[in-house]
Amino acid sequence: DAKTTQPPSMDCAEGRAANLPCNHSTISGNEYVYWYRQIHSQGPQYIIHGLKNNETNEMASLIITEDRKSSTLILPHATLRDTAVYYCIVSGYSGAGSYQLTFGKGTKLSVIP
Amino acid sequence: GAGVSQTPSNKVTEKGKYVELRCDPISGHTALYWYRQSLGQGPEFLIYFQGTGAADDSGLPNDRFFAVRPEGSVSTLKIQRTERGDSAVYLCASSPDRNQETQYFGPGTRLLVL
Repeated sequence: DAKTTQPPSMDCAEGRAANLPCNHSTISGNEYVYWYRQIHSQGPQYIIHGLKNNETNEMASLIITEDRKSSTLILPHATLRDTAVYYCIVSGYSGAGSYQLTFGKGTKLSVIP
Repeated sequence: GAGVSQTPSNKVTEKGKYVELRCDPISGHTALYWYRQSLGQGPEFLIYFQGTGAADDSGLPNDRFFAVRPEGSVSTLKIQRTERGDSAVYLCASSPDRNQETQYFGPGTRLLVL
């Protein structure tokens, strides 16, 4: 089972910041928080990841709370092309040799013109 | 550079037939993953290769599913005696090394079993 909880859907006005929350209250000390998104009919796309510090790249910012039990993905200026399903994933070594990603159902973000 | 490619993009087959799905990872990536995505669900892990060997096949649903990666690059997912429940999108992802959870996904193969 996925170790994260996300709202099933969110709307955001075009040009506004989109803030996508994720709860991961059972996260372990060595587990990272990863965000991927999946645009309709495409494969998932890596966005950003972090351990405990806030992270920023050209796509988004990731804010992780001090207790690491939740995080927020921020798309600073959402465009229509950001409409997608966003997956928050807590990932670490599986114990069976791989760093497999365990996807939940994600948050369907709809950017409204 | 070139991303992960998968062929065919769509495959329609009849129940009981055999199918092969191909994945070409990003050049130089040693880790390769297969996932399966049913309608309305997130992708589910099937199998992981590090180099030529299947290091983790714990996600394969049953022995009708098999995957190979003979030269440590291209991988083929093979499904025998297909069933209607095998209909899904099959995704392949690659990663630069085993200690790397940033995975780069291909567009997937949409399999429909009639």
